[in-house]
Amino acid sequence: AQKITQTQPGMFVQEKEAVTLDCTYDTSDQSYGLFWYKQPSSGEMIFLIYQGSYDEQNATEGRYSLNFQKARKSANLVISASQLGDSAMYFCAMRERIQGAQKLVFGQGTRLTINP
Amino acid sequence: DAMVIQNPRYQVTQFGKPVTLSCSQTLNHNVMYWYQQKSSQAPKLLFHYYDKDFNNEADTPDNFQSRRPNTSFCFLDIRSPGLGDAAMYLCATSRRGDRSSYNEQFFGPGTRLTVL
Repeated sequence: AQKITQTQPGMFVQEKEAVTLDCTYDTSDQSYGLFWYKQPSSGEMIFLIYQGSYDEQNATEGRYSLNFQKARKSANLVISASQLGDSAMYFCAMRERIQGAQKLVFGQGTRLTINP
Repeated sequence: DAMVIQNPRYQVTQFGKPVTLSCSQTLNHNVMYWYQQKSSQAPKLLFHYYDKDFNNEADTPDNFQSRRPNTSFCFLDIRSPGLGDAAMYLCATSRRGDRSSYNEQFFGPGTRLTVL
């Protein structure tokens, strides 16, 4: 079974600084996918970025980029030029195949606080 | 806009009183998921529907049931809520994703359940 580990329960960053949220994973599959989601205090899960195991380049989406190091089994999220609105819970997740679908296995999350 | 809708956003029920949470989608996705997220924890999959096929996670208590009368709607029934069932319940949808392919899950805003 897949396992996701996020070792930073909380992070505090000054506004406009870059921040890296750590994520390591464990899987025996050769083909897999990694996701990052943002969860504000309101509760909804907002998709940020995806990295496939066969993607040769690191994924980027605006201010978000994924530092994918396959040999180390890490998929860290980098947020450039952080904003106050980035304060939220961040979850790293991996897809796991189930009957007719794929479920997400989540890490424990990192609570990011951006200070003005 | 195509989206995933959950009603109500907040639900209060009494210990042992059955409750139903509702999810609807306009994305016409094959798969609908129900996740349970307890306070300060990661979301955990309870079950999913692939079209009309219901698939229960092995560790989902019998107290939790689900119905999917059509493609657009899916319900979560908690037959006898206990204090430990207080949580955020997240509904998500995706296209068929049983292959090794990118398959984003779209989440609704969640229903926060309180059990008195």
